Amino acid sequence: SQTIHQWPATLVQPVGSPLSLECTVEGTSNPNLYWYRQAAGRGLQLLFYSVGIGQISSEVPQNLSASRPQDRQFILSSKKLLLSDSGFYLCAWSDYTANYGYTFGSGTRLTVV
Amino acid sequence: GEDVEQSLFLSVREGDSSVINCTYTDSSSTYLYWYKQEPGAGLQLLTYIFSNMDMKQDQRLTVLLNKKDKHLSLRIADTQTGDSAIYFCAERTGGSYIPTFGRGTSLIVHP
Repeated sequence: SQTIHQWPATLVQPVGSPLSLECTVEGTSNPNLYWYRQAAGRGLQLLFYSVGIGQISSEVPQNLSASRPQDRQFILSSKKLLLSDSGFYLCAWSDYTANYGYTFGSGTRLTVV
Repeated sequence: GEDVEQSLFLSVREGDSSVINCTYTDSSSTYLYWYKQEPGAGLQLLTYIFSNMDMKQDQRLTVLLNKKDKHLSLRIADTQTGDSAIYFCAERTGGSYIPTFGRGTSLIVHP
């Protein structure tokens, strides 16, 4: 069966420090991968999505970047965190059709101090 | 652009039925989803429905789709305290991988 792993679960980072969040999927190949941020207001904001290795689409210009170095690995990064980067970050995957929905990871709570 | 609207809160008594409503604006929406999020956790897919369907039932869950009114509902029968969570409606068209999520309805189940 397919599983999605996301880590770390919580992270407290100072302003100006770098960030690396990792997400991996098991049990499937060539998944679509997504990074979302959920702010305190509950809405889900799509940050990046990828339909293949090295293919990254950015939905919102910001202080973050994403990479997909391997088929089932998706990394969210920042060179210098801002206070406004605080939030709950969720990774998700779907098959290439996405017809049957998206499977989310357990999330990373990032607090920038 | 597309928009998905949900009421923010719903309070029900344990054992009653809960009905969570969602409206969307994109008439070409083809795939509609309901997700559940418990505190501090990721989103869990509860069920989905395609636009060529009017209803889908899965155990205690019933999804109704009114395409004319662009209205989607999720009914939870015999609501339990474990059903307390935030429920998200999402939709997407056939031409995109990307869903549009509502802001979520917080379901509070009290004894």
